[in-house]
Amino acid sequence: QVYMVESGGGVVQPGGSLRLSCAASGFTFGDDGMHWVRQAPGKGLDWLAFIRYDGADKFYTDSVKGRFTISRDNSENTLYLEMKSLRPDDTAIYYCAKGGGLVNYFEHWGQGTLVTVS
Amino acid sequence: SYVLAQAPSVSVAPGKTARITCGGNNIGSKVVNWYQQRPGQAPMLVVYDDTYRPSGIPQRFSGSNSGNTATLTISRVEAGDEAEYYCQVWDSSGDRWVFGGGTKVTVL
Repeated sequence: QVYMVESGGGVVQPGGSLRLSCAASGFTFGDDGMHWVRQAPGKGLDWLAFIRYDGADKFYTDSVKGRFTISRDNSENTLYLEMKSLRPDDTAIYYCAKGGGLVNYFEHWGQGTLVTVS
Repeated sequence: SYVLAQAPSVSVAPGKTARITCGGNNIGSKVVNWYQQRPGQAPMLVVYDDTYRPSGIPQRFSGSNSGNTATLTISRVEAGDEAEYYCQVWDSSGDRWVFGGGTKVTVL
């Protein structure tokens, strides 16, 4: 059974930094592209970043380019999101998601971790 | 950038059919995916590649996509179907993944 657990969320001041982790199990982590998606309180889903199965390609939404960095450690089955220069509008639940198909969809989701910038 | 438009809400009586639409410029040329998000829970994939259902998703959930509109249809609606539903596509022109704004389905 696919299982992903995010951690590292919390309260951080504006301008601060935070590193999120997503521990994955139940599938061959090194075979799949992975995403980060966030959801601000009471708002919709917002795709943030994608990393290819081997880490060779990374894509970001414009609002986080230069501030957020996605990475992965396939030996530890873990996905990361390094966030810096955080702003109040970065406050959200952050989900990791396993890419599906030709990575065009989000096949499985973690339960999310809350980041509050205040 | 590519934009997906969804109605904010849809109400449906139990046992009836709910149709949730997702509008986009020539969306029929793209592949559309749908997610269900119940209150306080993570999203869950219910339809992928326009028409396919993941294992465990009831046949009551079906998808279609043509022209400028994709549709998620929920037949014989149950109370447990009350949730927010999001459409999503991959925008290959910008290497980005795009969500619609979501439609809240209320079961009367």
